[in-house]
Amino acid sequence: DIRVTQSPSSLSASVGDRVTITCRASQGISNYLNWYQQKPGKAPKLLMYGASTLQSGVPSRFSGSGSGTDFTLTISSLQPDDFATYYCQQSHSLPLTFGGGTKVEIK
Amino acid sequence: QVQLVESGGGVVQPGGSLRLSCAASDFTFSNYGLHWVRQAPGKGLEWVAFIGYDGRNKYYADSVKGRFTISRDNSKNTLHLQMDSLRAEDTAVYFCAKDRLDRVITFGGDPESWGQGTLVTVSS
Repeated sequence: DIRVTQSPSSLSASVGDRVTITCRASQGISNYLNWYQQKPGKAPKLLMYGASTLQSGVPSRFSGSGSGTDFTLTISSLQPDDFATYYCQQSHSLPLTFGGGTKVEIK
Repeated sequence: QVQLVESGGGVVQPGGSLRLSCAASDFTFSNYGLHWVRQAPGKGLEWVAFIGYDGRNKYYADSVKGRFTISRDNSKNTLHLQMDSLRAEDTAVYFCAKDRLDRVITFGGDPESWGQGTLVTVSS
């Protein structure tokens, strides 16, 4: 199975801050990497697929990069609605696997 | 707007069975693969199973293989997860999700639209 490791597991930031979350796969997965946002008690929401393609309706302050084993999700200017938990997920091979999550909290 | 509504969750004793359903609407159900993904209380996401658009291809996580069965009824726009030999570690919210791509021959890797989830509690 492909292991997916996210860091940090949590972070505190202020509105307007630039935030970066990283994801590392245990083997090369090309660009088969998705990012999700989840708020408490809600279903995950797909933000990004193919490592860098923004899902329809997702604000442009979200961006993704990376290929192979190392990936990054960046929020250019954190907004109040962005406080949530973020997960990466590899779509290269079965079983699909998720990172452990990054909780973004208000500083 | 894709709609997915899970049902069938509840409390069951270890070793028992439960059947989850997911009613879908507002998209061409028979064209898309579907996933079950679960989340234990306070924990992260775990992929459980996938079924192809025509029901022929089915894949499972090792943790549920041989105990869970995924199926679909394209005439009723409904996805199911039959869960047998349940264990305490199966306690979780179970989400159904539609894959992003249609008519994928192999497997879908992009759970795109998700239901609100249904809670399964395995406890004596």
